Parts: sequence; C-alpha cells; structure tokens
Amino acid sequence: KAGVTQTPRYLIKTRGQQVTLSCSPISGHRSVSWYQQTPGQGLQFLFEYFSETQRNKGNFPGRFSGRQFSNSRSEMNVSTLELGDSALYLCASSLEPGQGEQYFGPGTRLTVT
Amino acid sequence: GQNIDQPTEMTATEGAIVQINCTYQTSGFNGLFWYQQHAGEAPTFLSYNVLDGLEEKGRFSSFLSRSKGYSYLLLKELQMKDSASYLCAVMRNNAGNMLTFGGGTRLMVKP
Repeated sequence: KAGVTQTPRYLIKTRGQQVTLSCSPISGHRSVSWYQQTPGQGLQFLFEYFSETQRNKGNFPGRFSGRQFSNSRSEMNVSTLELGDSALYLCASSLEPGQGEQYFGPGTRLTVT
Repeated sequence: GQNIDQPTEMTATEGAIVQINCTYQTSGFNGLFWYQQHAGEAPTFLSYNVLDGLEEKGRFSSFLSRSKGYSYLLLKELQMKDSASYLCAVMRNNAGNMLTFGGGTRLMVKP
C-alpha cells in the first residue's frame, strides 16, 4: 500500500507570493492533518480535515488555509508569504479522527526569500 | 494548555539500551505517540499508547502511566541507524487527530 504523498517536495517563493501544497493520504484513510516544522518552534499543528470539513485548527493566522476533496486528498494554501513561513510542511493521514496511528508524508520544504 | 517535556539530547553506545522520557500535562488525554525522525526526513510512527503499561515492538518498547503523566521509549540493542530525533506527542479528547509535540530528543549512538 502506498504511503502518504506530498507535492511538491521543494519550493522556493518570494515574500508576498502565495503557495499551494498538496497531500494524498494512504488509500482508505479519510483524515488528513497538516503540521509546520521549524527548528525554533518544532512541530506545530495547522489543521485537520475529515469528510471535506475542517475539524480542528491550530494557532496560525488566517493566511493559512486548507481544504479536502471528496477523494480525501487535501491542499493547504499560504497567502502573502513571509520569511517566517519557511519551514517543512508535513501532512499526516489516519483512518478517522482520534483513531490512533497517524502516518506522515515526506513533507514539502518551503523556502521564502 | 499543554506542556510536554523531553530531554533535548542523549548519547548512548551501540549495543546498549537507552530510555527516553516524556512528561506531559494535559486535560482530556486520549493517547501518546512516539515518532522517530532522521535529519531531513519525515517522522516515522513508532508507537501509540492509550492505556497504562508497556507495549513492545521488537527492539522498541513504549510505556505509559496516565496518572503520572509520564511515558518512556526504550530502545534496546542500539544500532548506529537509531541516531535520530525521537518525538513524543499527545492527543486529546474531542480534538480529532490534533497532536501536540514535545521538542524532541536528539539521540546520538556512538560506536
């Protein structure tokens, strides 16, 4: 069974631009969560989607948004990029919310210049 | 709020046993996860404990005491490839799959 896939793997953007990242969960998994990882703040929860609905949201500004499609694939968008948005963005999938094991994708490394 | 503490760094010798501790304070506890993360890679799922006790998976074991807000990851027969960061994360009730992570413990295995 294929694991969680994320595209693109690497991205370089300039301040003020926007970016869209994509995540395809493990087949059969319907819950997708997004995390941001930086050296200073560690791994921080962004949001979670299940059945095309955002179920939980972390403490991030409104510039960070996401959505989930009927096939459980998810995208996250960051608008008006800032230098501090440079990070590894990780997607994790599980069968359903609160059901235990979550598996991470390889991540998208975003660099904002 | 939540507080998750784990040591920043640990060093151990190849072939030895190492225990990585994690303490947490949270309301509505619904499980504790351990992940392994090699530099530049994504976290890899190691274990999920929701009940008190020890769970063993090969060379890795994880223990949980909910009353003490304490968990540990035990790595036996250490190998050089075990050099990585180990992340402790807590899930709460009514918070779906949202995980709150500790800062991670960087383990260095020396020959």
